[in-house]
Amino acid sequence: KAGVTQTPRYLIKTRGQQVTLSCSPISGHRSVSWYQQTPGQGLQFLFEYFSETQRNKGNFPGRFSGRQFSNSRSEMNVSTLELGDSALYLCASSLDRRLNEKLFFGSGTQLSVL
Amino acid sequence: AQTVTQSQPEMSVQEAETVTLSCTYDTSESNYYLFWYKQPPSRQMILVIRQEAYKQQNATENRFSVNFQKAAKSFSLKISDSQLGDTAMYFCAFMKDYTGTASKLTFGTGTRLQVTL
Repeated sequence: KAGVTQTPRYLIKTRGQQVTLSCSPISGHRSVSWYQQTPGQGLQFLFEYFSETQRNKGNFPGRFSGRQFSNSRSEMNVSTLELGDSALYLCASSLDRRLNEKLFFGSGTQLSVL
Repeated sequence: AQTVTQSQPEMSVQEAETVTLSCTYDTSESNYYLFWYKQPPSRQMILVIRQEAYKQQNATENRFSVNFQKAAKSFSLKISDSQLGDTAMYFCAFMKDYTGTASKLTFGTGTRLQVTL
């Protein structure tokens, strides 16, 4: 069974631009979570989607948004990029968060904002 | 809010030896889950072991075991017979035990483990 797939692996953008990152969960998994990893702030929760609905959101500005499609694939979007948005963005999937199932992570998308 | 503290930024161990990584956490919850994740240079976060707070027995997974002290809010990871492939960043993480609503992981700052020959 294929793991969590994140595309692209690397991305370079300039300030003010917007970016969309994609995450394909493990087949059959219905929950997708997103995390931001930076050297300064560590790993921080962005948001979680289940059955196309956002179930939880971290403390990030409204420039960070996401969505989930009927096939459970998820995208996250960052608008008006800032230098501080440079980070590794990790996606994780699980069968159903309510059951506290194990999270399986992808290899992330490394975003660099110049 | 929950906090997770890993006080050892870096550790080194020789191959075949045993090493223990420390983690403490703070929460007012009575039911929760604790995890150790490993992040090798490939950047993928890999689940090493999981502990349910309501279980008194310490979790084990092959060479990996934990020492869970609920009263002390301590959750250390012991790696036995260390292998070169264990070289990675290790993160301790906390999750509330939700029922019917979403949950999230709160991570510590990580411990970089280097296994040497």
